[in-house]
Amino acid sequence: NAGVMQNPRHLVRRRGQEARLRCSPMKGHSHVYWYRQLPEEGLKFMVYLQKENIIDESGMPKERFSAEFPKEGPSILRIQQVVRGDSAAYFCASSRTGDEKLFFGSGTQLSVL
Amino acid sequence: GQNIDQPTEMTATEGAIVQINCTYQTSGFNGLFWYQQHAGEAPTFLSYNVLDGLEEKGRFSSFLSRSKGYSYLLLKELQMKDSASYLCAVRVNTGGFKTIFGAGTRLFVKA
Repeated sequence: NAGVMQNPRHLVRRRGQEARLRCSPMKGHSHVYWYRQLPEEGLKFMVYLQKENIIDESGMPKERFSAEFPKEGPSILRIQQVVRGDSAAYFCASSRTGDEKLFFGSGTQLSVL
Repeated sequence: GQNIDQPTEMTATEGAIVQINCTYQTSGFNGLFWYQQHAGEAPTFLSYNVLDGLEEKGRFSSFLSRSKGYSYLLLKELQMKDSASYLCAVRVNTGGFKTIFGAGTRLFVKA
């Protein structure tokens, strides 16, 4: 039973480009959460999605960031026109139901040059 | 607002016991978690408390007092591999469940 799969593991982008981060939740999990982590800091909640629905996006910047979790396929976190301040580790987590513990992927380290 | 506080760093000796404290002020409290995170890796689940009291799991125990907004993680018989960050997290129900994290406590275990 594969865990939460995130890809790519490392992503390098130049300022102004787009970054697309993918997350496949554990089998049987329909709840997906995205977090952002800066070096030596905690995990900052960004967005919570269920299949085809955004439940809570209170932690996501209003501009340039979007997330989706389609009926088929992985969840995508999309960052348009990246800036250096977007450089961080982005972790995805999933759970079977909304009130169970989270299982985390290995994260995507985004570096903006 | 939601706020979770824990010490930034702690140092302890191999074989000893260490207690990592966490205080929180949240609305819609629905449970408290502790996660372990080694540098450059994903957080992994350690413990969960929803009722007051102590939960024990091997060398790790976690305590919760909901009235005080307080939890601690107790690590016994420390090993070098326990050097990691320990994240206190609170699940809240604000129309949907989400888990918010404290900044983490970096634990250094020395020989």
